[in-house]
Amino acid sequence: DAGVIQSPRHEVTEMGQEVTLRCKPISGHDYLFWYRQTMMRGLELLIYFNNNVPIDDSGMPEDRFSAKMPNASFSTLKIQPSEPRDSAVYFCASSPDRGFPYSGNTIYFGEGSWLTVV
Amino acid sequence: EDKVVQSPLSLVVHEGDTVTLNCSYEVTNFRSLLWYKQEKKAPTFLFMLTSSGIEKKSGRLSSILDKKELFSILNITATQTGDSAIYLCAVPGTNFGNEKLTFGTGTRLTIIP
Repeated sequence: DAGVIQSPRHEVTEMGQEVTLRCKPISGHDYLFWYRQTMMRGLELLIYFNNNVPIDDSGMPEDRFSAKMPNASFSTLKIQPSEPRDSAVYFCASSPDRGFPYSGNTIYFGEGSWLTVV
Repeated sequence: EDKVVQSPLSLVVHEGDTVTLNCSYEVTNFRSLLWYKQEKKAPTFLFMLTSSGIEKKSGRLSSILDKKELFSILNITATQTGDSAIYLCAVPGTNFGNEKLTFGTGTRLTIIP
């Protein structure tokens, strides 16, 4: 299995520009997650999808952030307009189900998209 | 609000030393605690703990949970340079499974040859 695939791996953009991050989850996984990691706040859940439907976006910091999942094999996280404080590593992750106590499964992370907004 | 606190924030030891990493948590209706290892890229799963006092082991790594005192420890014996990483612990939110994990900020472990 190829694992969770993210692109781009690194992006440097100017403040005010639109940024689009992409993710291909592991085939057959019903849950997809977007996390953001910073030194100060660690890993934070932004939004998650179940069967392509957004379930909880309470972690999305503000309206500049949006996420879509048009089909089971693709999701995007968009920031428009970007700001320097959005600089972080953005991880996509997927899971076959909800995990314990429903199963022994866990979530699998992609390698992250390193975003720098200057 | 669910909370996970890890200590120490960073740790530097020599190869061959034994280390203990700590994770304390506050969550209503606790179900499980997860440990992940993050090297330069993606966090990878190490252990899931659900019951107090039962040690999970994988080679030189072991972990145990204390549900009464609300903490877990991760032990690494005979450390190697490949153990250098950020170690994260996480708990699912109240009434949630893995779909709403709260992570600690992690312990950055550096092993000096």
